[in-house]
Amino acid sequence: EVQLLESGGGLVQPGGSLRLSCAASGFTFNNYAMSWVRQAPGKGLEWVSGISGSGGSTYYADSVKGRFTISRDNSKNTLDLQMSGLRAEDTAVYYCANCPRNSVWGSYLNYWGQGTPVTVSS
Amino acid sequence: QSALTQPASVSGSPGQSITISCTGTSSDVGGYNYVSWYQQHPGKAPKLMIYDVSNRPSGVSNRFSGSKSGNTASLTISGLQAEDEADYYCTSCTSSSTLGVFGTGTKVTVL
Repeated sequence: EVQLLESGGGLVQPGGSLRLSCAASGFTFNNYAMSWVRQAPGKGLEWVSGISGSGGSTYYADSVKGRFTISRDNSKNTLDLQMSGLRAEDTAVYYCANCPRNSVWGSYLNYWGQGTPVTVSS
Repeated sequence: QSALTQPASVSGSPGQSITISCTGTSSDVGGYNYVSWYQQHPGKAPKLMIYDVSNRPSGVSNRFSGSKSGNTASLTISGLQAEDEADYYCTSCTSSSTLGVFGTGTKVTVL
């Protein structure tokens, strides 16, 4: 059974940093691209970052480029999202999701974690 | 990259069929057969319902079907049931980004 378990969310002040993690199990982690998707309160979904199966290619939405860094540790089956320069508009539930293709482009989001909430506020 | 356009809400009675549209451009929906659909109940994570325009993952009811014509993709739910009441989002790959673009979301209400 595929499981994705996010952690690391919480309350952070504007300009602060936070590191989200996603522990994966139930599939061959390094065979698949992974992504982070967020949902602001009462709003729709936004695909914010993706990473190839090897970790060699990373992708970001314009809204987070230069502030967020996605990474993965294929030896530990974990996916991370380092967030810095946080803004009020980054407040959202962050989901990690599995892309059942080795590339993010053209892939869909097969399995999702339960999400971890991030609140940016003073 | 602009979000794909979906109707804000669609409703139907139990047993009826409803269709949710997802309109993009030739640079996303119309250009590729990589449209997927997600169902999200309140407070829950999204769930994949359709991928690659019309394919159903294992375990998803065959009451859900997908199609595409030109720049518009559609999700049809037949034999509407109370448990289908949820938000639905489409997404498509796009020529302008490696990351997919989501639709604006549609709230389905079962009357």
